[in-house]
Amino acid sequence: GQNIDQPTEMTATEGAIVQINCTYQTSGFNGLFWYQQHAGEAPTFLSYNVLDGLEEKGRFSSFLSRSKGYSYLLLKELQMKDSASYLCAVRDSNYQLIWGAGTKLIIKP
Amino acid sequence: GAVVSQHPSRVICKSGTSVKIECRSLDFQATTMFWYRQFPKQSLMLMATSNEGSKATYEQGVEKDKFLINHASLTLSTLTVTSAHPEDSSFYICSARDGRADYEQYFGPGTRLTVT
Repeated sequence: GQNIDQPTEMTATEGAIVQINCTYQTSGFNGLFWYQQHAGEAPTFLSYNVLDGLEEKGRFSSFLSRSKGYSYLLLKELQMKDSASYLCAVRDSNYQLIWGAGTKLIIKP
Repeated sequence: GAVVSQHPSRVICKSGTSVKIECRSLDFQATTMFWYRQFPKQSLMLMATSNEGSKATYEQGVEKDKFLINHASLTLSTLTVTSAHPEDSSFYICSARDGRADYEQYFGPGTRLTVT
């Protein structure tokens, strides 16, 4: 079967750095996505990785290792507004997005 | 950037009635649109994928006669929840894929459906 694993909840301090991990087992791989979702709102796109390595975009970076079936989202200089759920999704061989359950990130002052 | 709108944002209906939700891509042509459902504190669940001008492809366990999807144009898809029941109460989100930008899906703001 297809499976995406990420921690259910994480807590971090304002101004700090947090890394949210995602491991996946899918039938084929055509890219990995990270989305941010605030409570009661739709997801918003953060990043896309299809090749191994680190993609940096401002305070957010995303890393991919296809051989390990592993990705992480790194958030630096955390702000209170970063409190949200972070969804990892993998596009499989049929170009379907397989979604993780999301990681709820709680930022404390 | 690409914008997807949904209407209505919130709807309350009585059990047994039908509700139509519209999803529009405002500044691009969406060759493919997706409909998701999300229950509280759970992840997105893909309900169906629709391509313009053809029948939607439903995920396993989703009743196609209950959740009617129409993708009549490159900018509009509709989801009709027929004979709604309280267990259909959920957050329904559509997303659209721009034919020119293969990898990204743009999400609508979602529709909160409450069936009483």
